[in-house]
Amino acid sequence: DAGVIQSPRHEVTEMGQEVTLRCKPISGHDYLFWYRQTMMRGLELLIYFNNNVPIDDSGMPEDRFSAKMPNASFSTLKIQPSEPRDSAVYFCASSKTMWTSDSTDTQYFGPGTRLTVL
Amino acid sequence: GQQLNQSPQSMFIQEGEDVSMNCTSSSIFNTWLWYKQDPGEGPVLLIALYKAGELTSNGRLTAQFGITRKDSFLNISASIPSDVGIYFCAGQPIGNTGKLIFGQGTTLQVKP
Repeated sequence: DAGVIQSPRHEVTEMGQEVTLRCKPISGHDYLFWYRQTMMRGLELLIYFNNNVPIDDSGMPEDRFSAKMPNASFSTLKIQPSEPRDSAVYFCASSKTMWTSDSTDTQYFGPGTRLTVL
Repeated sequence: GQQLNQSPQSMFIQEGEDVSMNCTSSSIFNTWLWYKQDPGEGPVLLIALYKAGELTSNGRLTAQFGITRKDSFLNISASIPSDVGIYFCAGQPIGNTGKLIFGQGTTLQVKP
């Protein structure tokens, strides 16, 4: 398997613009997670899906952020309008199950999208 | 919210030296994971621990799940330049729905 695929790898945009980040999870994984990584706050879980349904979006910073998973092989994280403080690396991760009962159940991360909002 | 305290924040060592880092939590965890992140990449799982007291090795890496279930350590023996990166601990708190809580990371630099 190619692993979790994210695009774009880098995104530079201006404040106020809409940004869409994309993720393709590992085939057969039922859970998909979106994380944000910054120097100040480290890795933060934004939202996760189970079988394409959003389960917990308590980590989403505000209404400017939205995430969708229209099918088992694709998810998007959208920021509209973007602000400079949204600059960060956004990771997508996937796993087979939610309970980490053995090593195959743990989350596998994509390479991330580095977002810079000017 | 629940937090993990990871230390040290950074380390600069000589090639061949052993390295130790640890994570502590104020609450009980039922899973501990250790990840490594290379520059420009996502975290990659190194070791997973599922039972209190469990000691697991992966090559030169050894990690243990603390008896109190509130801590874990990672040791790297005979460090080499490719060990450079950021190491993260992550845990799954008991009673949680399975979400992982991450430590702040330990940045390791190895001098050849």
